[in-house]
Amino acid sequence: QQQVKQSPQSLIVQKGGISIINCAYENTAFDYFPWYQQFPGKGPALLIAIRPDVSEKKEGRFTISFNKSAKQFSLHIMDSQPGDSATYFCAAFLYNFNKFYFGSGTKLNVKP
Amino acid sequence: KAGVTQTPRYLIKTRGQQVTLSCSPISGHRSVSWYQQTPGQGLQFLFEYFSETQRNKGNFPGRFSGRQFSNSRSEMNVSTLELGDSALYLCASSSLAGDDRLFFGSGTQLSVL
Repeated sequence: QQQVKQSPQSLIVQKGGISIINCAYENTAFDYFPWYQQFPGKGPALLIAIRPDVSEKKEGRFTISFNKSAKQFSLHIMDSQPGDSATYFCAAFLYNFNKFYFGSGTKLNVKP
Repeated sequence: KAGVTQTPRYLIKTRGQQVTLSCSPISGHRSVSWYQQTPGQGLQFLFEYFSETQRNKGNFPGRFSGRQFSNSRSEMNVSTLELGDSALYLCASSSLAGDDRLFFGSGTQLSVL
């Protein structure tokens, strides 16, 4: 059973547009929800993260929206740039088990 | 500070062979995790080591094994390779057990022919 479901699988956005990636989780015990960004030929790198006691976190053009009651969270990339073209993974972390559960990834392509 | 180093970057093997992948974590990091990345499946957790002890294990067959050395370096071994084992294998390190921040290496791309 997949603990974290991510959509869409791929996304094409025009430069300057808003990119939105959604994730849903099952386990209400998750403590921490990070997003990782992966460029071709590289490993994923932490982009932004949120804890479940906060509904939104913003860092520059990147924002996480978190809906605890719906068990959903999403990544919004404002003013998307071609340099944002990458694969994005959402994840959920259980501190007690020291275990991450990753979504299946979203390949974002920002057209110039 | 050097990042997580994985070797080799690419590997081509044939079915039935075995393979060993290596990971050197960031200096001072004691936890090393391994993930398998395939298109459409995302990152599947293999196992995690801390202070030379396996603390967590994912749902992979026993052909997948690993170990960690006293200097925190880790190796992953896959025996009796199958075509479906073709994937990018990623190693990630974190400073402590329970640390919520993972630092990934660039991975080893394994192709099984």
